[in-house]
Formats: sequence, structure tokens, C-alpha cells
Amino acid sequence: RKEVEQDPGPFNVPEGATVAFNCTYSNSASQSFFWYRQDCRKEPKLLMSVYSSGNEDGRFTAQLNRASQYISLLIRDSKLSDSATYLCVVNKGRRTGNQFYFGTGTSLTVIP
Amino acid sequence: NAGVTQTPKFQVLKTGQSMTLQCAQDMNHEYMSWYRQDPGMGLRLIHYSVGAGITDQGEVPNGYNVSRSTTEDFPLRLLSAAPSQTSVYFCASSYGLEDTQYFGPGTRLTVL
Repeated sequence: RKEVEQDPGPFNVPEGATVAFNCTYSNSASQSFFWYRQDCRKEPKLLMSVYSSGNEDGRFTAQLNRASQYISLLIRDSKLSDSATYLCVVNKGRRTGNQFYFGTGTSLTVIP
Repeated sequence: NAGVTQTPKFQVLKTGQSMTLQCAQDMNHEYMSWYRQDPGMGLRLIHYSVGAGITDQGEVPNGYNVSRSTTEDFPLRLLSAAPSQTSVYFCASSYGLEDTQYFGPGTRLTVL
């Protein structure tokens, strides 16, 4: 079983729409959680960390559900510039050498 | 700050050739890592380092060597290139073991 699993999409949504991505992780001992954004043929860049209490950054909201072992990302009022692949990332902590595990990504295209 | 830099950006090798992918960061980060990204597989950790003189294997280390003689540099060596090593390689660094990772622009490697 993969450490991190995401729906690959693609998600094609109109401008202004709200879209949600989910990600599940397999190891209940996972410590840190992140969403990264990757544009075509570019490097991944941090979008936001995910905290147990949930956190919001402008139009983006991330939530963590430890009991069900899933992470979500909500994008409100989608912009054309939000078109990218969104990567869910989990770190299992010091006991496993602090390795980061990446999902395969969810592709989003925002349509005019 | 230049952040994380990688050279070369593109490389074509013949089977059996060896080469070194360069990675450098100027943020004084202790933690550095190498990933490869393949379609449908997400980013997979090859090797990582938690400080100068310390390296460890990730998920897919076979066929690759690393060393960390300075905090700034973390080169990845392909010992005898194989077509299965055709991929995009990303180097990343972070301040702490569970902190945000900053990625270089990537090296696109083709092995014929």
C-alpha cells in the first residue's frame, strides 16, 4: 500500500468554483503534513502546511483528520492561475529518518 | 539568496556512462535530499543527508551514490546509467528535519 494516496483527477472546474482535494495516508504515526503545488515542468513549491486545528490562507483551507488519516485542501473562488498539480506530502517523523512521502498529485485545470 | 540550484538542467547519457548531478543551497540548511519524479509515481526519495558527513538511503537508492562534504553541496552520482534512470531529478533542502522543503529547478535526465 502506498504511503500517501491521492485522486489523480483531472479536475476541470470553471473560474469561481470551489474545489476540494482529499489525500489519505497509511501510517498513523505520521507527524507533519503539507500541500505543495507543482506547475508543469517546474519544481514543487510549498502551498501550505496542514495543522490539526485546520488552517486557512486566503482562498485556501487545509484540514487534517488524524482519526481517519486524511488531509483535505479546499480552494474557493478558483482562478485561472490555480491550474497546477497539487501534491499531498507526509512526514513520518524522526523514528523513520524524517522521510517525506509524496502523493502522485491531483491535477487541476481552471477553465475560463 | 539563490536558494537551491541544480546543474545541469538537461542531460542525455548512454547506458553505462556515469555522471554527477550537482546540487547546492545557500540557505545554511542542514537537511538535503534527492528525489526522482516519474509519471504516475510521484516523487520518490533516493538519498538524504541530515548534515555534513551524514547520508542515508531513501526509498530508491540503488544505482546512486551521494556524499555531503559541506553544508552547501549534495551531489548525486549515477554509477552506471541505465534506461530505468530516465527521470526528472529534484534536489531539496530544509532548515529542520520536519520543516518546509525548498526544491531546485530539477534535472531532466534521459538514458539511451
